Amino acid sequence: GAVVSQHPSRVICKSGTSVKIECRSLDFQATTMFWYRQFPKQSLMLMATSNEGSKATYEQGVEKDKFLINHASLTLSTLTVTSAHPEDSSFYICSARAADRGLEQYFGPGTRLTVT
Amino acid sequence: RKEVEQDPGPFNVPEGATVAFNCTYSNSASQSFFWYRQDCRKEPKLLMSVYSSGNEDGRFTAQLNRASQYISLLIRDSKLSDSATYLCVVKGDIGYALNFGKGTSLLVTP
Repeated sequence: GAVVSQHPSRVICKSGTSVKIECRSLDFQATTMFWYRQFPKQSLMLMATSNEGSKATYEQGVEKDKFLINHASLTLSTLTVTSAHPEDSSFYICSARAADRGLEQYFGPGTRLTVT
Repeated sequence: RKEVEQDPGPFNVPEGATVAFNCTYSNSASQSFFWYRQDCRKEPKLLMSVYSSGNEDGRFTAQLNRASQYISLLIRDSKLSDSATYLCVVKGDIGYALNFGKGTSLLVTP
């Protein structure tokens, strides 16, 4: 159990467009979902934490109006990168935590975004 | 100062070798500690949690020294399949978010 999927796995878009990334917990209810970003040869950096039904909490330096997060159900969170720029090109990874499974976070396979 | 710092690496070792990775963390109130493994262009996967008393899982041994805010991972009898980046991960005292180190790259050669 504890499978997290992400869609799409990779996306190429033009500068100025918006891209939506979905994160789903397939066999458990995710009370909390996390969005991370990883640039080449860098560590995963937490962007935001979202709890189902409430607004996401963004980390310092992450623009909430640019990275829109919606956690409308216990199995789905979406991250929308609005007006994407080439510097937004990165590996975006979500993780999910279930209240009844302790501290462990289960990671999705990641989405590689390239903005041209 | 970064919250989690690791050996810069990369480590190139022959099969069968023993290799050790070190990690330090800055928040003394940190509650939980982990080692994750990340293969190239993939998501991180939990390798093992790290407990104060030290713990072992097969060829992998993890140690935690809270006084020194230091974590280690020892891999014995390295296999080719151990080649990956090893991430030191710390959970702070607030919330459930994880702080990741930059990772240490390991390459095990025949």
